[in-house]
Amino acid sequence: EVQLVESGGGLVKPGESLRLSCTASKFTVSDALMSWVRQTPGKALEWVGHIKSRDDGGEIDYAAPVRGRFSISRDVSENTLFLQMNSLKTEDSGVYYCTAKWLYCSSSGCYKGVDYWGQGTPVTVSS
Amino acid sequence: QSVLTQPPSVSGAPGQMVTISCTGSSFNIGSNYDVHWYLQLPGTAPKLLIYANTNRPSGVPDRFSGSKSGISASLAITGLQAEDEAYYYCQSFDSRMNRSVLGGGTKLTVL
Repeated sequence: EVQLVESGGGLVKPGESLRLSCTASKFTVSDALMSWVRQTPGKALEWVGHIKSRDDGGEIDYAAPVRGRFSISRDVSENTLFLQMNSLKTEDSGVYYCTAKWLYCSSSGCYKGVDYWGQGTPVTVSS
Repeated sequence: QSVLTQPPSVSGAPGQMVTISCTGSSFNIGSNYDVHWYLQLPGTAPKLLIYANTNRPSGVPDRFSGSKSGISASLAITGLQAEDEAYYYCQSFDSRMNRSVLGGGTKLTVL
């Protein structure tokens, strides 16, 4: 079964940096559209950014609030997705999830395009 | 403001039926892109509930069903149970934003 495991969250001060990791199993990170989604306390899920699959050109895009401060990358040898977060602000606090758009297979066939989610890693930015 | 609009909350008594709507536009649901539904229990990650508009993954009870028409989709839950109390999110692809988009989420309260 597809599994995503995030790590790297923690408590940092405004202006500091943090790097989140998301290690995947049962598929290769470069074969899927991989995204980061965050959830602030009591609020909805917010798309942070994504990296397209190698076959789709590997294009990277970011949400406006994080563009220029956050950077998404992947390491196929480690089968891991990264989110480098610089110049962190208090409003960046929340639980960060990585997602992978991949196959769901059942007895009736396979469908490509559902999101698998990691368990989330909390980020707190506070002085 | 989410591209896909869901009611912030719905409620129902045990055993009753509730529906959660997800309204989009001609750039997403109305363009025949599939709609998926995710369930988020408190303190956990979202989990796939319905995929490709009407399909239930293995292990999801048939009390949960999805439908789609025009620019909207709906999730119906029959025979409400206390453990259904959670947040529900719809998702589709948006051609104007060129990425998947999520609804704002609906909190289901079982009275």
